[in-house]
Amino acid sequence: QVHLQQWGAGLLKPSETLSLTCAVSGVSFSDYYWNWIRQSPGKGLEWIGEIKHSGSTNYNPSLKSRVTISVDTSKNQFSLQVTSVTAADTAVYYCARGTSAIAVRRFDYWGQGTLVTISS
Amino acid sequence: DIVMTQSPDSLAVSLGERATINCRSSQNVLYSSNNQNYLAWYQQKPGQPPKLLIYWASTRESGVPDRFSGSGSGTDFTLSISSLQAEDVAVYYCQQYYGTPPTFGQGTKVEI
Repeated sequence: QVHLQQWGAGLLKPSETLSLTCAVSGVSFSDYYWNWIRQSPGKGLEWIGEIKHSGSTNYNPSLKSRVTISVDTSKNQFSLQVTSVTAADTAVYYCARGTSAIAVRRFDYWGQGTLVTISS
Repeated sequence: DIVMTQSPDSLAVSLGERATINCRSSQNVLYSSNNQNYLAWYQQKPGQPPKLLIYWASTRESGVPDRFSGSGSGTDFTLSISSLQAEDVAVYYCQQYYGTPPTFGQGTKVEI
């Protein structure tokens, strides 16, 4: 059974760096693209970016300058960092499995979500 | 970015009745080389992540009840729930994966 378990800090101050990690089990990690998606009342569901086991990444252009997605294949984990956060980055962040195909970005398994609040 | 617009924002349907949700994309999401519409539908219940229901506009994900169906092509799509059950109360989202970045509709809340 595919399972995504995510964790990370839930409360940050403006200008700090958001860090989240997602551990994947029950599936061949190398076969799929692994994604971060966030959900906020103001912007709805927003795709942040994806990574393959090779380390190849693609990012949403709107966030690209502040986002880094990395992978640890030895642990079947991938991580998200967002620098210089503001209140606009307050959201529930999800990790999610994409497909095995390039640029076929739909999401069939999701982590449980992490509420990240940015407040001074 | 491709903008996805859903209608209505919310609807109330009686148990056993049909629910219909519309989704319109600002650009065509039909890929001519494989004749596939790059359009998915999700269901989200409170406190849970979205659940994939339908992809390629009309293919049900494994385990999804057949009362859920998707239709449409190009820029106009529909999600139908043929006989609404209590457990179908949720917010439903369409998502295009034709362009980068993939984008979602604003959601449609279905209530009894």
